[in-house]
Amino acid sequence: NAGVMQNPRHLVRRRGQEARLRCSPMKGHSHVYWYRQLPEEGLKFMVYLQKENIIDESGMPKERFSAEFPKEGPSILRIQQVVRGDSAAYFCASSPGRGNTEAFFGQGTRLTVV
Amino acid sequence: DQQVKQNSPSLSVQEGRISILNCDYTNSMFDYFLWYKKYPAEGPTFLISISSIKDKNEDGRFTVFLNKSAKHLSLHIVPSQPGDSAVYFCAASQRHMRFGAGTRLTVKP
Repeated sequence: NAGVMQNPRHLVRRRGQEARLRCSPMKGHSHVYWYRQLPEEGLKFMVYLQKENIIDESGMPKERFSAEFPKEGPSILRIQQVVRGDSAAYFCASSPGRGNTEAFFGQGTRLTVV
Repeated sequence: DQQVKQNSPSLSVQEGRISILNCDYTNSMFDYFLWYKKYPAEGPTFLISISSIKDKNEDGRFTVFLNKSAKHLSLHIVPSQPGDSAVYFCAASQRHMRFGAGTRLTVKP
């Protein structure tokens, strides 16, 4: 049973380009969470999705950031017109249900904006 | 949004001794609590969890204690091993997990 798969592991973008980060949850998991970790900081919640639905996006910046989890395929976190401050490690986690259950993390995507 | 706090950025203990990592939270609606361990350049790894209806959960060398009245939880590792050296994050969950800033544990041989 493969774990949570994130790709790419490393992504370099120039300022103003778009970044697309992908997350395939564990088999049987229908809940996906995205977190961002800035250098020397903890994990900040961004968005919680279930298949085809955004459940909670209270941690997402209002502009340039979007997320989806289609019926088929991985969850995508999209960052448009990237800026230097978007440089961070982005982690995806998945769980089989909501609330009182463990979530398992992928290896993360390290985004560097140059 | 500092609903979950880990006030000690680092902790150093001797191999074989007990490591105690602490975590405080502010939101009484949290009903599930978790501890994760993280190595550099890797994703967090789940360690142990506890429901708000319990006050203790034990798994091998790891024990989590929950004090709801104080809104405080702690992770005890005994005996500590050098391989336990990592950053430990506590998380509190309602619909999704909110994390503390982490505590870097160093276990010296």
